[in-house]
Amino acid sequence: AQSVTQLGSHVSVSEGALVLLRCNYSSSVPPYLFWYVQYPNQGLQLLLKYTTGATLVKGINGFEAEFKKSETSFHLTKPSAHMSDAAEYFCAVSSTYNTDKLIFGTGTRLQVFP
Amino acid sequence: DVKVTQSSRYLVKRTGEKVFLECVQDMDHENMFWYRQDPGLGLRLIYFSYDVKMKEKGDIPEGYSVSREKKERFSLILESASTNQTSMYLCASSLGARDGGWPQHFGDGTRLSIL
Repeated sequence: AQSVTQLGSHVSVSEGALVLLRCNYSSSVPPYLFWYVQYPNQGLQLLLKYTTGATLVKGINGFEAEFKKSETSFHLTKPSAHMSDAAEYFCAVSSTYNTDKLIFGTGTRLQVFP
Repeated sequence: DVKVTQSSRYLVKRTGEKVFLECVQDMDHENMFWYRQDPGLGLRLIYFSYDVKMKEKGDIPEGYSVSREKKERFSLILESASTNQTSMYLCASSLGARDGGWPQHFGDGTRLSIL
């Protein structure tokens, strides 16, 4: 079955440090890939998506992610963390059988320390 | 911007009650989804609708049903609420298109407690 693995349920960084959130997926066909962010007591907000074309994708709030087919990865990065980045982040991949459906990872909670 | 509105942010119900969660989207999207979110489990799809009156079971449909009588509205029904249905419920919508890949837009969620 298709799956999305987010390595590390909790990640802590200092303000100004690099943010790296890892996502690996399984898919037998070229996937559509997404990163979402969830702030406390809110729904999910789209950060960025990869469909086709350039493998380095830029999103909102200074985040970017790189699609690496050979590694089946789609890691999320931000050069310099800000306190406001503290949230839960979800990686998602489109279903092989129905690309309208998404399969989500279990999430990574990012803490940012001053 | 797409707006997905869930009727209640917080809801408390009793075991055995029939519970209705409502979701409305304002962007004429074909697809609508209901998920439940539990700590450590991420988002799990309950039901999916790709058109009016059309629905498809997700990964965890047991104990739930759905209704989509109008394109903009998608309702989740807990036929007889049980304590293990205490959770955060998220509604989402997306454009339906042949080539897929359209992002889903989420409401703010309903935190449901079953006592």
